[in-house]
Amino acid sequence: DGGITQSPKYLFRKEGQNVTLSCEQNLNHDAMYWYRQDPGQGLRLIYYSQIVNDFQKGDIAEGYSVSREKKESFPLTVTSAQKNPTAFYLCVSSKQGANTEAFFGQGTRLTVV
Amino acid sequence: GENVEQHPSTLSVQEGDSAVIKCTYSDSASNYFPWYKQELGKGSQLIIDIRSNVGEKKDQRIAVTLNKTAKHFSLHITETQPEDSAVYFCAASISSNDYKLSFGAGTTVTVRA
Repeated sequence: DGGITQSPKYLFRKEGQNVTLSCEQNLNHDAMYWYRQDPGQGLRLIYYSQIVNDFQKGDIAEGYSVSREKKESFPLTVTSAQKNPTAFYLCVSSKQGANTEAFFGQGTRLTVV
Repeated sequence: GENVEQHPSTLSVQEGDSAVIKCTYSDSASNYFPWYKQELGKGSQLIIDIRSNVGEKKDQRIAVTLNKTAKHFSLHITETQPEDSAVYFCAASISSNDYKLSFGAGTTVTVRA
């Protein structure tokens, strides 16, 4: 079955360390997005990519980096420059065009210890 | 960028009653408004969408209304059933801006039997 998979589900990181969150989809979607959710807040866009080898910053890109070397994969790296990385991270993929049907990953909860 | 606010964050209704979720958006250029349903342990699905040239759209027990002047749109579920229990996300996008999706925070709907 087609779908979008995030891993791991829970992740712990020590302060000062970089960590990479995985997002893979086999839906043949061109667009992939990374969002961050904090308690009581909406989904805030970190980075998005609409085509392989291209990506754009979202509203809160500082302290994060991404790559899109393959259509199926859009990993997010949380760097040590991100001052408050503890949050729930959600990966989304979607078709392009007039009917933008989006699929959500299950999310990764990152905790800095 | 676009800011989408969604209310309420949680909603509990008796089976057979109606459920209403409201979203507001900030960018008047937004012209596409999809709603997604995410069930625990399952993927997400597009349940209904509306474009800015339409004020209301209905699909069986689900309807969406759009008020462009006030910049808000709402999801209405009538005759709720236990299988309607899920997390619902609203989103807004601008078709001239690569359909970049901006999501609300989500509403957890629980239908009590």
